[in-house]
Amino acid sequence: GESVGLHLPTLSVQEGDNSIINCAYSNSASDYFIWYKQESGKGPQFIIDIRSNMDKRQGQRVTVLLNKTVKHLSLQIAATQPGDSAVYFCAGTSFGNQFYFGTGTSLTVIP
Amino acid sequence: SQTIHQWPATLVQPVGSPLSLECTVEGTSNPNLYWYRQAAGRGLQLLFYSVGIGQISSEVPQNLSASRPQDRQFILSSKKLLLSDSGFYLCACDGTGASRAFFGQGTRLTVV
Repeated sequence: GESVGLHLPTLSVQEGDNSIINCAYSNSASDYFIWYKQESGKGPQFIIDIRSNMDKRQGQRVTVLLNKTVKHLSLQIAATQPGDSAVYFCAGTSFGNQFYFGTGTSLTVIP
Repeated sequence: SQTIHQWPATLVQPVGSPLSLECTVEGTSNPNLYWYRQAAGRGLQLLFYSVGIGQISSEVPQNLSASRPQDRQFILSSKKLLLSDSGFYLCACDGTGASRAFFGQGTRLTVV
């Protein structure tokens, strides 16, 4: 079955620095990936997505990179702010099947 | 876009009592619906998913059950709660064609 995992459970960064959160997946047929942000006591919220026919996609202060060769994706947050402190999940799916979520990385921004 | 309503936001129930959590979806038809559980400091564990009315798939054996009486209604139930059922329960939906999954705001269940 498909699984999605995170390299690090926690990450601390200084305010203003860039953050990089990594994720690995096992199913080479995965064709769509999403990054979610979950603040304490709330449901996950969509941040950015990427399809397997792309290797990079940029949003507002966020960039997702996809390396299909090593089945790895990352979320880069530029100029990290205190409001970015949250748990970040990656999720993947193949051919419109159910999403599988990683265990999450807790990002703490140090003022 | 889809909107998910999930209630209640918090719930404290004694061991052995029944449970019913409800989730309704707006803005889409025939969605895939999901129930996830999240233990403190942990990731999301898929409990149930449904591709249509009356169609429920269970991912893990447990003390819980799910039902989908209507297209946009998904219910998580238990006849007798256990202490280990405590957690943060999230309802989610997605449309066809690998669209993004949308989440409700969750229910914090504490079994005492």
